[in-house]
Amino acid sequence: QSALTQPPSVSGSPGQSVTLSCSGTSDDVGGYDFVSWFQQRPGKAPKLIISDVSQRPSGVPHRYSGSKSGNTASLTISGLQADDEADYYCCSFAGPDSYFLFGGGTKLTVL
Amino acid sequence: EVYLVESGGGLVQPGRSLRLSCVASGFTFDDYAMHWVRQSPGKGLEWVAGLSWNSGTIEYAASVKGRFTISRDDARNSLFLQMTSLKSEDTAVYYCVKDLKEWNGFDVWGQGTLVTVSS
Repeated sequence: QSALTQPPSVSGSPGQSVTLSCSGTSDDVGGYDFVSWFQQRPGKAPKLIISDVSQRPSGVPHRYSGSKSGNTASLTISGLQADDEADYYCCSFAGPDSYFLFGGGTKLTVL
Repeated sequence: EVYLVESGGGLVQPGRSLRLSCVASGFTFDDYAMHWVRQSPGKGLEWVAGLSWNSGTIEYAASVKGRFTISRDDARNSLFLQMTSLKSEDTAVYYCVKDLKEWNGFDVWGQGTLVTVSS
């Protein structure tokens, strides 16, 4: 199976909201509620910010929210802050053939 | 707090082998599935291999199947990745990753260890 599809870049101004998309198929994003989002800053390991489509781990600000419609998952960041500038990756369980697929990542720039 | 510390990376020639290790702390290691995920320089993330809490389920990405072996030693809270017949395309930072529970997805990540395959 191919990787999930994410836009290469997204930008927004401080205080605005941005939505990052993650498109898959009925074999992955659309077939399971095991979609996660990770934030990765340069030179650092990825950090989990959303699991199971919309669950926020302890310590992750409420400004981060996740959702899914059909074969597309979304991450919305509200009240953008400079500190949100990073790469964001989505990931989905993809069944017994591929197990886990990642998106190519979206670079978020805070203007 | 959960910690995962990888070791064993380095420069290796094509066709040779390398063994990565990961020591876990801060959680009940043998309650969770564990995985290896890699990231090629400047590229995205790729799931490499995973095993269930009791090693009853072990799976690999197609790109490494038959060459890599994942294993765990619960007595030492450790996860391993034996890599053989290494190729240049295996060059990446390899992350040890704790599962959310049992093949639900990825929770905490180690800091990563760099494997460079080059002659």
